[in-house]
Amino acid sequence: QSVLTQPPSASGTPGQRVTISCSGSSSNIGSNTVNWYQQLPGTAPKLLIYSNNQRPSGVPDRFSGSKSGTSASLAISGLQSEDEADYYCAAWDDSLNGPGVFGGGTKLTVL
Amino acid sequence: EVQLVQSGAEVKKPGESLKISCKGSGYSFTSYWIGWVRQMPGKGLEWMGIIYPGDSDTRYSPSFQGQVTISADKSISTAYLQWSSLKASDTAMYYCARLSGIAVAGSFVDYWGQGTLVTVSS
Repeated sequence: QSVLTQPPSASGTPGQRVTISCSGSSSNIGSNTVNWYQQLPGTAPKLLIYSNNQRPSGVPDRFSGSKSGTSASLAISGLQSEDEADYYCAAWDDSLNGPGVFGGGTKLTVL
Repeated sequence: EVQLVQSGAEVKKPGESLKISCKGSGYSFTSYWIGWVRQMPGKGLEWMGIIYPGDSDTRYSPSFQGQVTISADKSISTAYLQWSSLKASDTAMYYCARLSGIAVAGSFVDYWGQGTLVTVSS
């Protein structure tokens, strides 16, 4: 069971807006920034959003992130077929003297 | 251009030892944390541990403490993940990953290796 909780699946039709939630606690999301990664089938993960709401160069502005308290969300607007992938939230956890923690991942299906 | 190039796929038997590698290039290897992430078949991502090659400071996730060893050879800009006795449950894809900043908290993975598939089967 992951420290960060995500819904296992989400879906939408092309052009639609979908959101993926990520719930944590005061020791992780509540006191650290949240990052999001996209993993297309058969490939390594890729950074999608960092520091809660920042997009790396090359990531379309259809992707946006937000954080409030101990929860975070990833929103994808204008859904496209190529957005079908697994999405993971991640954060550092102050209670662990180690690397961070990932959410369990959400499989996004474009119908 | 920053690159992390991992060693090739491995097929091992239970009880055997294994060391896989991740060679960094295009940046100062000693100035960034580098870590390992496990992905079991059909499952999500799990942090195993991280190392700072500059001073070999190493931190493990609780689930992996004592199960694996992470090391780095800064003379050849290479990080390693090692098992002394593999189990079938170690079958997974393993990714190396570079953290963006010198401080662990607040960092994110800005570069990923291509992955090394480890299969453990009798």
